[in-house]
Amino acid sequence: EAQVTQNPRYLITVTGKKLTVTCSQNMNHEYMSWYRQDPGLGLRQIYYSMNVEVTDKGDVPEGYKVSRKEKRNFPLILESPSPNQTSLYFCASSFLGSYNEQFFGPGTRLTVL
Amino acid sequence: RKEVEQDPGPFNVPEGATVAFNCTYSNSASQSFFWYRQDCRKEPKLLMSVYSSGNEDGRFTAQLNRASQYISLLIRDSKLSDSATYLCVVLDTGFQKLVFGTGTRLLVSP
Repeated sequence: EAQVTQNPRYLITVTGKKLTVTCSQNMNHEYMSWYRQDPGLGLRQIYYSMNVEVTDKGDVPEGYKVSRKEKRNFPLILESPSPNQTSLYFCASSFLGSYNEQFFGPGTRLTVL
Repeated sequence: RKEVEQDPGPFNVPEGATVAFNCTYSNSASQSFFWYRQDCRKEPKLLMSVYSSGNEDGRFTAQLNRASQYISLLIRDSKLSDSATYLCVVLDTGFQKLVFGTGTRLLVSP
């Protein structure tokens, strides 16, 4: 089944404790992206990647890191999480040039205390 | 001004009603437009693209007015299963990314 998977789905953590949210897709997509969704602000792009070893900042990259060592995986790293990073996070992927049809993962609900 | 603006709703309608959502976008150079659907706490999914000539998919009709920078979605004969948040989305070709509106919530009641 074609899909984007994220882990964990839910996470409660404390300020400053490094964490990684994994994202994996099995559709051979070149393009992958991370979004956060907050009430009243909608989905905002954090980082994106056009292909292996090619990543770039989105609209709200502060406090986040990403890597793209393999085509299928695009982990999101929070080196020192803060409460303002409490949010719902979505990973998405698509073929290059087909950005309209991005396939989203199920989401990760993160709470930073 | 936000790049993509939508009325957050909620729109409360009875089953069988016709409901319309509107969306405005600020970048006149935008070329591609879409509606995504998002169920509560779930991932967004592409509902339909919006073409200049207008397009229909079953009970759903999307319209684009480039002069007014305005996009609409019309849902006819609403079903309970249509209850969701509808996201207006514009493709920013310069930065190769999707720009999402905050969504319009629809509640269809029996």
